Amino acid sequence: KNEVEQSPQNLTAQEGEFITINCSYSVGISALHWLQQHPGGGIVSLFMLSSGKKKHGRLIATINIQEKHSSLHITASHPRDSAVYICAVRSGSQGNLIFGKGTKLSVKP
Amino acid sequence: NAGVTQTPKFQVLKTGQSMTLQCAQDMNHEYMSWYRQDPGMGLRLIHYSVGAGITDQGEVPNGYNVSRSTTEDFPLRLLSAAPSQTSVYFCASSPGTSGSAWTDTQYFGPGTRLTVL
Repeated sequence: KNEVEQSPQNLTAQEGEFITINCSYSVGISALHWLQQHPGGGIVSLFMLSSGKKKHGRLIATINIQEKHSSLHITASHPRDSAVYICAVRSGSQGNLIFGKGTKLSVKP
Repeated sequence: NAGVTQTPKFQVLKTGQSMTLQCAQDMNHEYMSWYRQDPGMGLRLIHYSVGAGITDQGEVPNGYNVSRSTTEDFPLRLLSAAPSQTSVYFCASSPGTSGSAWTDTQYFGPGTRLTVL
């Protein structure tokens, strides 16, 4: 079983829809990252969080440490949000980042 | 700032050849790392550095060497290329303000797509 599982693997939405991408992990963590990989391949960091909730524009990331689960929400989705969204966790025991396989999001106009 | 830069963008090698993937950052970041990304798999850490002169192995270090002689540069050397090293390689850096390479915002380079025939 992978230590970081993302769901769904693929997601197609219509412009304007509210989107949720989930990340579950099986290890104790000290940090969780959400990253965005553009169709051209570049990777951008969206959030780094260890508790609670963070918001940036139309993006909201939440984490529930007890349930070992994080969600990335996109409000009022737009075709430019089409990308692969990657969850990564840092194990609490001095480990490196462990990455999920990503969720491929396609937003149709 | 240019951020994190990588060269080349694309490279084709024959089995057994050696080459160096270049990575540089101009943000004075302490931490730098190399990842490979393969279809159907998450990013995997190859090597990382917590400062000039200090490097350590990641999850998949075999067949790769690194050095960190300056804060800015972190080259990745393939000693004798193999088809299993066909992948997209990403270099990343982080400032180190949190005291860990992995609890800071990560800044990624644009990637190098390597094909080994």
